[in-house]
Amino acid sequence: DQQVKQNSPSLSVQEGRISILNCDYTNSMFDYFLWYKKYPAEGPTFLISISSIKDKNEDGRFTVFLNKSAKHLSLHIVPSQPGDSAVYFCAAKAGGTSYGKLTFGQGTILTVHP
Amino acid sequence: GAGVSQSPRYKVAKRGQDVALRCDPISGHVSLFWYQQALGQGPEFLTYFQNEAQLDKSGLPSDRFFAERPEGSVSTLKIQRTQQEDSAVYLCASSYTDSHTNSPLHFGNGTRLTVT
Repeated sequence: DQQVKQNSPSLSVQEGRISILNCDYTNSMFDYFLWYKKYPAEGPTFLISISSIKDKNEDGRFTVFLNKSAKHLSLHIVPSQPGDSAVYFCAAKAGGTSYGKLTFGQGTILTVHP
Repeated sequence: GAGVSQSPRYKVAKRGQDVALRCDPISGHVSLFWYQQALGQGPEFLTYFQNEAQLDKSGLPSDRFFAERPEGSVSTLKIQRTQQEDSAVYLCASSYTDSHTNSPLHFGNGTRLTVT
């Protein structure tokens, strides 16, 4: 069973516009959520995270929103830049487990056109 | 080194062969994690170590998979009698704190294993 789902395999946006990447989860034991970014032939790199006690976390151009009642989180990138083109993974950690034991979604390929 | 280093970068094995994948974490990092990423999927947790202790191996798919970190630094993931379904990218990650303190994972570039 897929506990973390990213239903959009790909997203294409124009440079300067907003990119919105979505993620749904089913496990109510998840208490910490993260977004990772991955370029081809490289490992994922940490982007931003949010605890389940918050509903928003912002870091520069990146904002993550968490809607616990809907079991949904989203990543907003404003403004989008061509260098943001990558695969984005949503990940979650269950309460009481290691911060490194993550459940990942399948990823969304973001393409930002100049 | 500056980051997590994994070797080899690519490995082709014939079905039934044993393979060993190496991970050099960032110096001083306490926790080390192994993930498996199949084509078109997200990474899936395999196992993790805190120093030399293997604290969780619940994600290892079968008893053909074995991981060790004998001196609390370099780790090796061994797969015995490889099968085609073992074909994937194997990612190693480390973090500087113990695994129950919030600290982002630093991933290596992975080893792409192809079993023919």
